[in-house]
Amino acid sequence: DADVTQTPRNRITKTGKRIMLECSQTKGHDRMYWYRQDPGLGLRLIYYSFDVKDINKGEISDGYSVSRQAQAKFSLSLESAIPNQTALYFCATSGTDRGNNQPQHFGDGTRLSIL
Amino acid sequence: RKEVEQDPGPFNVPEGATVAFNCTYSNSASQSFFWYRQDCRKEPKLLMSVYSSGNEDGRFTAQLNRASQYISLLIRDSKLSDSATYLCVVNGVSSNTGKLIFGQGTTLQVKP
Repeated sequence: DADVTQTPRNRITKTGKRIMLECSQTKGHDRMYWYRQDPGLGLRLIYYSFDVKDINKGEISDGYSVSRQAQAKFSLSLESAIPNQTALYFCATSGTDRGNNQPQHFGDGTRLSIL
Repeated sequence: RKEVEQDPGPFNVPEGATVAFNCTYSNSASQSFFWYRQDCRKEPKLLMSVYSSGNEDGRFTAQLNRASQYISLLIRDSKLSDSATYLCVVNGVSSNTGKLIFGQGTTLQVKP
């Protein structure tokens, strides 16, 4: 089983719809992240959370919201989807056992298309 | 100036070749450096961390030059399976955030 699981893997929906992307992890990491990836732009951070009570905006948080329901779960919502939110979305986790010098571990990604 | 810059390539090399990628970063306070590998439409996967003294993992060697603010990745004896995009990753401006900044990636295509 994957350590970081994203659902759904693919989603096609219409403009204006509310969408939720789920992420769960079995790594026991405190830190979780949501990124989107677009061709030519690399990975961009949407939101991140260092524990259940901590939520922080990343560089492109407008149009998105998140919920950290438990240490192992971090969901991303698009309240009213628009076509330029079509992208590949990744959830990632990292530990803190050696301070902040920790790599991140990614889920398989969710391919989202907004028509 | 981008916080992390890479030559996007593509680098097209024959099997067995040695290829090197460089990456520059803008924040001199950065403390953590990584190389990730990403296959087409797949998630990024950690290839190796980059340490100040340089480090090697089989055919892969990573180097860090703090004075010039660049890191490099050397791949020896390239295999077809090395074809992928290689992402240079640096920790963010404020070191207590755990945020990582990703370069756009360098594409490598190894040909028979």
